[in-house]
Amino acid sequence: GESVGLHLPTLSVQEGDNSIINCAYSNSASDYFIWYKQESGKGPQFIIDIRSNMDKRQGQRVTVLLNKTVKHLSLQIAATQPGDSAVYFCAENSWSKLSFGAGTTVTVRA
Amino acid sequence: NAGVTQTPKFQVLKTGQSMTLQCAQDMNHNSMYWYRQDPGMGLRLIYYSASEGTTDKGEVPNGYNVSRLNKREFSLRLESAAPSQTSVYFCASSEGWQGETQYFGPGTRLLVL
Repeated sequence: GESVGLHLPTLSVQEGDNSIINCAYSNSASDYFIWYKQESGKGPQFIIDIRSNMDKRQGQRVTVLLNKTVKHLSLQIAATQPGDSAVYFCAENSWSKLSFGAGTTVTVRA
Repeated sequence: NAGVTQTPKFQVLKTGQSMTLQCAQDMNHNSMYWYRQDPGMGLRLIYYSASEGTTDKGEVPNGYNVSRLNKREFSLRLESAAPSQTSVYFCASSEGWQGETQYFGPGTRLLVL
């Protein structure tokens, strides 16, 4: 069954604000997590990853937080831009297999 | 460096027709995958190839076959297309085993009438 899920299917954000996208996972043995961005009509694009021995990792304008206690993963996007409009989904490495969530659609308001 | 490429981009088939979706990667990755993506659902694994010369079933293999032609190319074949196979198909590759970061192609949009 699906072990990765997202808290909200849609998120509307004002341009310039910060976005927070959440993901819950059920397998406490999962040791690696990835966030992907998928723009309309395109394939998923790797954004950032994090291993279970870390609780935070930063990239360019993005930060991933991992809370293993409550099995929760989040992606924070700073100063959201129109180009950030897309579907975001997390993937979980569970028993050497990647499981993907259904995704959260982020819409940026001008 | 094109990454993962897929052909065709879009295809319309009639029920019962056959077709092959092509995928190639130029990253020298060992593993390759085929997924389908349907509205409101996550990516579902159809078949994968952990290394050249090997293929294995994923979550939804029925109605599909695959061929790992060489290290670069991994094709997906629909022998007798059905409307339930209308979907967007993505090919992906990773350097190692499934649990590592996978890099995706642009997708093939398939409509079966």
